[in-house]
Amino acid sequence: DAKTTQPPSMDCAEGRAANLPCNHSTISGNEYVYWYRQIHSQGPQYIIHGLKNNETNEMASLIITEDRKSSTLILPHATLRDTAVYYCIVPKTGANNLFFGTGTRLTVIP
Amino acid sequence: ETGVTQTPRHLVMGMTNKKSLKCEQHLGHNAMYWYKQSAKKPLELMFVYSLEERVENNSVPSRFSPECPNSSHLFLHLHTLQPEDSALYLCASSQDLQGASGANVLTFGAGSRLTVL
Repeated sequence: DAKTTQPPSMDCAEGRAANLPCNHSTISGNEYVYWYRQIHSQGPQYIIHGLKNNETNEMASLIITEDRKSSTLILPHATLRDTAVYYCIVPKTGANNLFFGTGTRLTVIP
Repeated sequence: ETGVTQTPRHLVMGMTNKKSLKCEQHLGHNAMYWYKQSAKKPLELMFVYSLEERVENNSVPSRFSPECPNSSHLFLHLHTLQPEDSALYLCASSQDLQGASGANVLTFGAGSRLTVL
């Protein structure tokens, strides 16, 4: 997988937007950016993915820079249930699986 | 419920026991995966199956034996495990392998938490 760099931890106040950054400077032109999250002791959950354009779904928004070397996952109104480890993943073309690194541990504070 | 069901959710076994973990998906996906997650460690890929054929085996000890009888079911047979094998075992599926064209999203089960005494 293309190497990704995420901060190990972040805090966010409940009700505020959570902005989680990810650097992926070695990304290739046809490689997608995926975001997953894992709530404690549960299986990872898919959030969103994108290639070039910004994307939005019912869970989050994904903003990808024009050079595609970094992206930001935005949770518009964080709740306590959004406390989890968030993984930014860029799988290498031809790879059979996704490599989950250490991610960012987001803590939503009441 | 994600569409991927794992049983049992919790399993305690001795080092000489034989047990199996089961994974079932009714999403019509062609690829299935076993991951291992030890305490405070990233997920480690164990096995990958595509259309019931094993396509990847990441240097997993032979005491773990996968079986994929059809595209909807995946098993992990456990035999003579060690205490360090205690972990959360996660099954996932995707429409096609990650390396196939386009985006392929993984859907995970809730996991089977294994404790080896």
